[in-house]
Order: sequence, then C-alpha cells, then structure tokens
Amino acid sequence: EAQVTQNPRYLITVTGKKLTVTCSQNMNHEYMSWYRQDPGLGLRQIYYSMNVEVTDKGDVPEGYKVSRKEKRNFPLILESPSPNQTSLYFCASSLGLGGAYEQYFGPGTRLTVT
Amino acid sequence: AQKVTQAQTEISVVEKEDVTLDCVYETRDTTYYLFWYKQPPSGELVFLIRRNSFDEQNEISGRYSWNFQKSTSSFNFTITASQVVDSAVYFCALSENSGGGADGLTFGKGTHLIIQP
Repeated sequence: EAQVTQNPRYLITVTGKKLTVTCSQNMNHEYMSWYRQDPGLGLRQIYYSMNVEVTDKGDVPEGYKVSRKEKRNFPLILESPSPNQTSLYFCASSLGLGGAYEQYFGPGTRLTVT
Repeated sequence: AQKVTQAQTEISVVEKEDVTLDCVYETRDTTYYLFWYKQPPSGELVFLIRRNSFDEQNEISGRYSWNFQKSTSSFNFTITASQVVDSAVYFCALSENSGGGADGLTFGKGTHLIIQP
C-alpha cells in the first residue's frame, strides 16, 4: 500500500530536549516536505527536499533541521524544542515538483513542548 | 507571492442544508493548481480535488461540487444536503508551477464546518 508514515504520532517533551520526527514513504517519490499546522494559521511549509542531499527552507524553517540521506526518508529534527513549536506536523511526498503532482500526506504528528 | 484566503472561519448549519465554503486565491503565475482538503476530527488530511488553471469546468462528485472562476480568482466548494459526517475543517490550497522555489502548497487558514443533527 502506497503511504507516508510518520513516527511518533504523539509526543510530549520538555523545552530543550532534542527530538526527531521520522517520515518515510514507499512510493519512490523525489519530493518530500514538512508542514506545521497551527490553529487559525492553516498549514505552513517548514522545509522541503527535491532529492537526496537536496533540501531547502520553506516559509517557517527557524528552529528546525532536516536531512535527506535516503530517498525514502526525510526526518525533521528539533535540536532545542521550545513551546512555540507545539503544533501538528505533517510530512508529505510527491513524484515531482509542482502542483501537477499529487501530494501524499502522512497521518500527522502532534507535538507538545512544555 | 501566492496567497489563499478562506474568509469563513467557522460555519454551522443544520443537517441536510446546502453549504458553500469560499476560497479566494492570489497568484502571478498563469499555470497553477488549486486543491481542497478535508481534515476530520481524527486529524488526517484527506485529498478532495485538484484543479489546474486551464480547466474552468465545474466539477461534481456526489454531494460535493466545485465552482472555479478565474475572473474572480475563486474556487468555491459546495456540499449539498450536508450530513453530520461532513463536519471537519476544510482547507483550500494553491500550488504554483513556476519551476522555482518550494512549489509547495500554500494553504488557506481553513474553514471549520459544523453540521448539526
């Protein structure tokens, strides 16, 4: 089954404790990205990757890191989480760049930073 | 820069009523794509429709229909004979196809639709 998986689905952590949210897709997609969703703000793109070892900032990259060492994986790293990073995070992948390609979203990771 | 506006933050209707969710977009590209997603209370994003800028035909899928009007930069979504299961947050989104930058989806802020039994 074609899918995007994220782990963990729920996470409660404390300020400053490094964490990683994993994202994996099994569709051999070139393009992957991370979004965060906040009430009243919709979804905003954090980082994206057009291929292995190619990543770039989205609209709200501050406080986040990503890596793309393998095509299927695109982890989101919070080196020193802060309460303003409490949010619902979505990973997405697509075959190519641009709206012509459908984006497949993961189930979301709900992160709480206390 | 691209922008999507969903002016309706929350809409509440009684079951079986028709309801229209508004979406207005801004883009400088001539080639772009518009999307609607549904987010039920469980939180996942459910893809509903994608429309490219060259196809202005309205689309109907069961109780759902979409009205794309380039003249007013709008891509409105209508649910006919609403049901309680339609209760969700609905997002309109835009993707340009300029070949540069992120070309990710720009989302509106969402409309929370409440269908009361």
